This record gives sequence, structure tokens and C-alpha cells, in this order.
Amino acid sequence: GAVVSQHPSWVICKSGTSVKIECRSLDFQATTMFWYRQFPKQSLMLMATSNEGSKATYEQGVEKDKFLINHASLTLSTLTVTSAHPEDSSFYICSATWDRGLDGYTFGSGTRLTVV
Amino acid sequence: GENVEQHPSTLSVQEGDSAVIKCTYSDSASNYFPWYKQELGKRPQLIIDIRSNVGEKKDQRIAVTLNKTAKHFSLHITETQPEDSAVYFCAASTGGGNKLTFGTGTQLKVEL
Repeated sequence: GAVVSQHPSWVICKSGTSVKIECRSLDFQATTMFWYRQFPKQSLMLMATSNEGSKATYEQGVEKDKFLINHASLTLSTLTVTSAHPEDSSFYICSATWDRGLDGYTFGSGTRLTVV
Repeated sequence: GENVEQHPSTLSVQEGDSAVIKCTYSDSASNYFPWYKQELGKRPQLIIDIRSNVGEKKDQRIAVTLNKTAKHFSLHITETQPEDSAVYFCAASTGGGNKLTFGTGTQLKVEL
């Protein structure tokens, strides 16, 4: 089946530094990647939608200069949290569509980011 | 944009009882409605989904119903087991691999 590999699974960083999260589609071409953020005991909130080779579309209220998304190839999308602060600590998870006709979505395993 | 509301936020049932979780959506263009189960720190797992051309779908102990007119859909779990304990999310999409909008989640606890 369609698999998205997400790394790292967890990361601790110092306030002010940047962190990059990668999502790779292993056996399909992910033309669209969705990036979600999930705070404890809350829902998955869509941050942005990225299409291969074009700029990401950010949801209202999400700072595009802080959360840099790159989708340079059909198998790799990255999210970089720049100048991270403790309030950015969250669970970040990507999701890719693997079959638009069947509405197939597959999720990465998530990244637990802790900013200290 | 789409707005999905989900109720209840917490649900506690006795093992063997049924559990029902309800969602409403706002965008009449939405036509794909999946349900996910998420365990702590893990990715959401698709448990069942339904499309707008179908009113009901069942898979063993799990069923989903959809009322397009009222814009609401529900998850039904029968004969609940302790391993059903998790957070459940409904979601909606306009299909074609477009973005999923998630409900607020329901913490289901199945007690022995």
C-alpha cells in the first residue's frame, strides 16, 4: 500500500533554532502533500497544502515565513520550522494523496517537536 | 471554508455496548467523509469512509451513516471492546484528493 515515511519521529531543539521535518512517499508519487499540526488533546489542523513544483498554499493564520514548505519532487516534501519557540512545540504530521480517484490519503507517522 | 463539528468530545461506554459519534459539516460540496482512529502519539488510521452517493456503509462492527440533506454523518461501533478505546476523528473533503477538514475529535473509553 501507499506509505509515507516521516522523519524524525521526535526532535528537541533550542529556542531560536530551525528544525526540518521530511516526508517521503515510498511507493507512489505524492503530487499533493498536506501538513498538519496537532496540539495535545486537539484535532489535526491543516497548516498548508503543497503541490510538487509550486509554492505551498497556507491556511489562514499560519505564518508562511516561519513554516517553510518545500515540495521539490514527487516523493519528498519538507517542513522547516524556523526560529522555533516553545509555542511551536507540537505534533506535526504530513498526509499525501495517493489516488485522487479513490480519495486515498496516507499519513506519515508524525514528528513530536519540543522546543526548549 | 469547510467546518466540521463533532460530538461528543468524550464518550464512556461499557464493554459490549454501542457507541455513536456524530458530525456535521458546512460545505455542501463535500462528498467524501472518512473516519479515523488515533492512538496517542500515532498517525490517524482510516477505519471507514463513505461517499455522498451512499447513505450507509458497514464493515463488521463499524458502520457509518450519511444524511446529505442535513449535512451530518455518524459513526456507529457495536459490541465495543477495550481495544476500541482511542480518539476518533471525522473528516470531510470535496473529494479528488483535496484537503481533509477534521472534526474536533471524540475520546472513546470502553470500560470493562
